[in-house]
Amino acid sequence: AQTVTQSQPEMSVQEAETVTLSCTYDTSENNYYLFWYKQPPSRQMILVIRQEAYKQQNATENRFSVNFQKAAKSFSLKISDSQLGDTAMYFCAFIETSGSRLTFGEGTQLTVNP
Amino acid sequence: NAGVTQTPKFQVLKTGQSMTLQCAQDMNHEYMSWYRQDPGMGLRLIHYSVGAGITDQGEVPNGYNVSRSTTEDFPLRLLSAAPSQTSVYFCASSYFVGREQYFGPGTRLTVT
Repeated sequence: AQTVTQSQPEMSVQEAETVTLSCTYDTSENNYYLFWYKQPPSRQMILVIRQEAYKQQNATENRFSVNFQKAAKSFSLKISDSQLGDTAMYFCAFIETSGSRLTFGEGTQLTVNP
Repeated sequence: NAGVTQTPKFQVLKTGQSMTLQCAQDMNHEYMSWYRQDPGMGLRLIHYSVGAGITDQGEVPNGYNVSRSTTEDFPLRLLSAAPSQTSVYFCASSYFVGREQYFGPGTRLTVT
């Protein structure tokens, strides 16, 4: 069974600074996707970024980038130039390419301070 | 595109009552699913569907029924509500199995 672990329940960062959220996962599969979802106070689950396991290049979406280490089964999210609107719960998630279930981590509550 | 829509946004039920949570998507996605989100437990899959007429159980299916008569709609039925079903329910869809899923705004359900 796949598991996803986020070891940082809470983090805070000053506006305009950079922060990195950690995620590790465990799987015996070779083909899968990894995601970071953001859940602001509005409760909406928003896809931030995705990474295909067969791609060595780390994914980037504007201020968001990942550090994907397949051998170490690590998938961290870096947020650059943090903004107040980045305040949210962030979930790391995993799915096999043939799978039906997203497996989520416990989440990291990020607070961006002015 | 409205994306994934869910109704109602909030609902309070008494123990033993039944109700249906509605979910619709206009992206022509084949895959749809229902999750529940409980504090400290993340999101857990209740039921899912890989296409019209095809449904299957997820991690926590007991007490819930689903059907998929059209590509667009995937309602979740609570047969006899229990306090343990108090949760936030999310519907999600994906153009294919094993890909990123897009979520609706959620329904906060309280069972007293």
